[in-house]
Amino acid sequence: GAGVSQSPSNKVTEKGKDVELRCDPISGHTALYWYRQSLGQGLEFLIYFQGNSAPDKSGLPSDRFSAERTGGSVSTLTIQRTQQEDSAVYLCASSLRPSGPTEAFFGQGTRLTVV
Amino acid sequence: AQTVTQSQPEMSVQEAETVTLSCTYDTSESDYYLFWYKQPPSRQMILVIRQEAYKQQNATENRFSVNFQKAAKSFSLKISDSQLGDAAMYFCAYRSGSNYKLTFGKGTLLTVNP
Repeated sequence: GAGVSQSPSNKVTEKGKDVELRCDPISGHTALYWYRQSLGQGLEFLIYFQGNSAPDKSGLPSDRFSAERTGGSVSTLTIQRTQQEDSAVYLCASSLRPSGPTEAFFGQGTRLTVV
Repeated sequence: AQTVTQSQPEMSVQEAETVTLSCTYDTSESDYYLFWYKQPPSRQMILVIRQEAYKQQNATENRFSVNFQKAAKSFSLKISDSQLGDAAMYFCAYRSGSNYKLTFGKGTLLTVNP
């Protein structure tokens, strides 16, 4: 597609339920990032994928969070047993190369609300 | 660890006027890149301007320019001839030359008054 696509756009879930957030990066982009944006905060790094290399999971806040990237393309962020503090906008970005001044292109994010 | 600080949670400007958004960062590295991203209500982050640390010349993109002071670790964004469409959240971001993570500040909400 022309840009980074994320689905769903909005998600309301009950506390304790599992959720899956999807990211479809720009075709040909080898690097893919997930960020979390909480109210009044900046963007918090969650996880990074680069080609077939092992992902950098250092930003995942707890073991309830996991992510995978299949075939070097689509990525899914899964949050198990959701808590109210998980409520945030989850942003996905991709870039052609992982370093340098290369621009990271962002999707429109998924707004997750845990009630 | 690198940190990015935006000291102005909110700013406002009159249409057609000029506004400057502040950003400071902390790093011990010499090779890095700086970015300003705009986030309108649609939530999609859009790159406004970028600066390579090794370049002394300040980057410019149409009405947007930066004042990059490497020694002071300052990277401010100037918006000239402000337009209503400039109203958005603006984030300053840092990336090391040897690392892929983008580190963001907490953002500045810019309001443009007609």
